[in-house]
Order: sequence, then structure tokens, then C-alpha cells
Amino acid sequence: GQQLNQSPQSMFIQEGEDVSMNCTSSSIFNTWLWYKQEPGEGPVLLIALYKAGELTSNGRLTAQFGITRKDSFLNISASIPSDVGIYFCAGRQRGADGLTFGKGTHLIIQP
Amino acid sequence: DSGVTQTPKHLITATGQRVTLRCSPRSGDLSVYWYQQSLDQGLQFLIHYYNGEERAKGNILERFSAQQFPDLHSELNLSSLELGDSALYFCASSGDYTGELFFGEGSRLTVL
Repeated sequence: GQQLNQSPQSMFIQEGEDVSMNCTSSSIFNTWLWYKQEPGEGPVLLIALYKAGELTSNGRLTAQFGITRKDSFLNISASIPSDVGIYFCAGRQRGADGLTFGKGTHLIIQP
Repeated sequence: DSGVTQTPKHLITATGQRVTLRCSPRSGDLSVYWYQQSLDQGLQFLIHYYNGEERAKGNILERFSAQQFPDLHSELNLSSLELGDSALYFCASSGDYTGELFFGEGSRLTVL
């Protein structure tokens, strides 16, 4: 099936730093979503994007739907300890069922 | 709390055995999706049910099957278990086709 290439695989940052991660594909997606997963929990939806070029914020999180429809970006500003977790991008193609997920970005914050 | 309930949370069993995982979707959601999460494969789509009918299959093995009941809860049946089936199994529900899925806390299956 289609794959989403998510990078970086992991990030070690200092508290207060900004974070950027992205997801790319060779195929077009009509919906991009970003999820966060913490240990022992299921993925939690952070942001959903439905239009090419769309920029959406949720608190300190901002995500963009790439103009080519083949990529998406997630930024976290002024990171705090509770931002630790695995962030997954997910995409849905036209006519497809289910979501395709990236392999995740592990965010680790050093105080 | 996503509103999606999965049981059991943990399950340990032996190779060759059969297990059933249960999922109750969010109130009002007609769609139930099952995903498998393993360390090396990430989140893999298994199957989708909508209002009791199978809608789509992903990377689901023939040894695995699912169903959705009239009350909309769903069960994932895993049989002839192998060591490689050890993983987290997530259920997610959705109320529409926007793609927004709401996940349960998962069932961790360990096959020894």
C-alpha cells in the first residue's frame, strides 16, 4: 500500500524549543491528520487538514497541508514536558478507506 | 477519553490459540476500524465495518476475522496465533467520512 515518509524519526530537544516534523508521499492525499500517542494510550487526534495549502492551529501546534497534496508539516512552538510522545501523520486518499499512517516521530524533551 | 472502549487491555496467550478482542465505538459512530501496531510496521489498517457491514480490508491475515454487531460493537478474532502476531491492536471509530478517527486505548496481545 501507499507509504507516508515521516521525519525525523526522533527528536531530542530542550524545553522551550520549537519543533518541526513533516510527512511526505509520492501520492496525493485529500486529507492529512496529525495524531499524538503517549505510552499505554491510543493515538489522539491533534489536527485535521482538508484543503491544499490549509494552515491550521491548535494551541501551540500548527499544521499545514502541502500545496502539492503530497506532504504535510507539524510545528510545535515553545515545547513543554507534556509534549513528549510519538507524533504520527496520517493521510486519506480519495476513494480509499482507512488512513495510512507514517511511522511516527519520537519527541523527547530534555529539561 | 476518546469514548472508544476496548477490552481486554492486555492478553497473553500461546501459539496456536485463538483470541477475541472487543471494541465499543463512540456513541453514535457507525464506523469501526481495526489497526495493528507493531514496532517495525507502525500502524497498519486491518479492516473497516460500517453499520454492521464490512466496507474495506487492509493488511488483514486470513487467520484474522472481524464482525460488527447490531449494537455496533465490534470483535476482532485472531486464530492460529503466531509469535509475530504479538502487537497492539487498536479499534477506532468515526461518525463520518472526514477521515477523523478516534482511537481506543488498545489491546496488547503477547503470544508466547
